Amino acid sequence: GAVVSQHPSWVICKSGTSVKIECRSLDFQATTMFWYRQFPKQSLMLMATSNEGSKATYEQGVEKDKFLINHASLTLSTLTVTSAHPEDSSFYICSASYRGSGANVLTFGAGSRLTVL
Amino acid sequence: DAKTTQPPSMDCAEGRAANLPCNHSTISGNEYVYWYRQIHSQGPQYIIHGLKNNETNEMASLIITEDRKSSTLILPHATLRDTAVYYCIVFGTNAGKSTFGDGTTLTVKP
Repeated sequence: GAVVSQHPSWVICKSGTSVKIECRSLDFQATTMFWYRQFPKQSLMLMATSNEGSKATYEQGVEKDKFLINHASLTLSTLTVTSAHPEDSSFYICSASYRGSGANVLTFGAGSRLTVL
Repeated sequence: DAKTTQPPSMDCAEGRAANLPCNHSTISGNEYVYWYRQIHSQGPQYIIHGLKNNETNEMASLIITEDRKSSTLILPHATLRDTAVYYCIVFGTNAGKSTFGDGTTLTVKP
């Protein structure tokens, strides 16, 4: 089946540094990937849609200069949290859709837990 | 895309069937119903999806009402490892526009 790999699974960084999270589709091509953020005991919140070869589409309220998204190939999208601060600490999850059983099925990465000190 | 409504929590005895309901009264004709579950600190795991017919796979069964305004996910023999948050979402061609509600926290008890 379709697998999405996300790396790193957890990262700790100092305030002011930048952190990059990778999302790879392992056995299928994903022209579109999605990035979510999840706070403790809350649901997933869509941050942006990553489009291969073009600019990402950000949801309202998400700072595009803060959360840089690059989708340079059909199997890789990256999310860079720039100048991270403690309030950016969260669980970041990516997903990609593939065609399965006549529908577009979302498959998710395992998530990346970011802790900013 | 349609929003969904689920009960916040449910309990189930180990070995019994778990029936998780979902309301999606504003679903459009081309939107599918999808179920995912999320175990603590992991990404959501796909369970099953359907359009209008009932579906079954190795994990669960999905029952969709005739008017498609609600559905029920059935875990036939719940185990302790099925304890998770279960999300019901609906979307059509644009998967990224699916909205995750708060889901149902299912607790399977011995």
